[in-house]
This record gives sequence, C-alpha cells and structure tokens, in this order.
Amino acid sequence: GQQLNQSPQSMFIQEGEDVSMNCTSSSIFNTWLWYKQEPGEGPVLLIALYKAGELTSNGRLTAQFGITRKDSFLNISASIPSDVGIYFCAGYNNNDMRFGAGTRLTVKP
Amino acid sequence: AAGVIQSPRHLIKEKRETATLKCYPIPRHDTVYWYQQGPGQDPQFLISFYEKMQSDKGSIPDRFSAQQFSDYHSELNMSSLELGDSALYFCATGGENTEAFFGQGTRLTVV
Repeated sequence: GQQLNQSPQSMFIQEGEDVSMNCTSSSIFNTWLWYKQEPGEGPVLLIALYKAGELTSNGRLTAQFGITRKDSFLNISASIPSDVGIYFCAGYNNNDMRFGAGTRLTVKP
Repeated sequence: AAGVIQSPRHLIKEKRETATLKCYPIPRHDTVYWYQQGPGQDPQFLISFYEKMQSDKGSIPDRFSAQQFSDYHSELNMSSLELGDSALYFCATGGENTEAFFGQGTRLTVV
C-alpha cells in the first residue's frame, strides 16, 4: 500500500484551462490507472494504461504510460466546473496495487 | 455490470462500540483493499488481501482487524470505536491483470 509520488497535491484553475498531473515511482508497474473521486463517493476509474509508452484518451482526458514504466501523467483539456474532485493514480503489478496521494482539483467558473 | 458492493452505506455508532463493514467484490476479483478517508482528507490505505491472505498492511489501528472469506468478500471489524474513527471507508477489489474498482463506501459516524 505504499504510495506513489503524485503531484501536484492541489490545483486551483480557471474554467477552460488545461490541467496536467503526474505520478512517479521507484518501481516498475505493468499497469497504470487513473481515478476520480467526487465528494462522498468512491473513486471511479477514468483511464487504464497497459503498455509502456501508451497514450490513451477518454473525452477531454488524456493519459500516458511512461516509457520507463515508472511514471504516468494525466491531462485534462478545457476544464469545466464538473471536473472538480480528487484524481488518483495507481500502479498495478500482479494483484499489488499502489496509489498516489491524490491531486485535489478546484475549477473556478 | 456488477460492481463492488459495500454495506452498510451509512452507520452510526457510539464511542467504544464495535462496527463491521462489508465489501463484496466484482465476480472473479480475488484482491481487496481497504481505505479510510477522514473529512477533507485523502484516502489512507489500511490493509489488503489476496486470495484470502493478508498481502499488505498500512496505517490500520490495532483496534481494527479484517479478513477475506472463501467467497472473496471481506469484512473490516472495528472495536472500541473512537470519535476520530468517523470517516468514509472504501474498499476496492481487483483481479489478476484487471483494474481495481472501488465501492461507494461506508460512512461511519461515531458519536
């Protein structure tokens, strides 16, 4: 359960701006996952990455699996108020899941 | 599609009482992770199980214990509850080469 290094810890942005957050690890992972949590709810899976170098999009979200397999980033383009929440990265190896501490995103209208 | 089910969704207990939280995995998921999230805090990893054996341990108090049963559901047992135990408790379940999915959480309030 030791955490990955996720940054930034929090972000305050204006609606319409792009957002970027990343996760790094000293260990290699076979899978990287990105989750979003809204207040009072469980984290919801946004994007799953399975191959080093893979770039995957889900609407305005884009995530990449680092070529070294030790990092991943998530970009949100043209942010909107409903993007508010906490975003978590997770690295996964053979039933061993490690989570980042989360990036808390606030979007000002 | 079946999701991770947590019960109860809400629980109110008095100090020094005990509580049991349950987590039912997605079919074929054999790994479960438990998290505690205090008000305005990030989730803190408590404990995880793989194939009914404890696989990792985080910041779980000695007053808490957990286990994974033969049907892969898991229970988190909390004794001698304190006010500071009031939090959202999440479980996530996963399987080999699959993503982990979270339940909707149990909100525990200790009064």
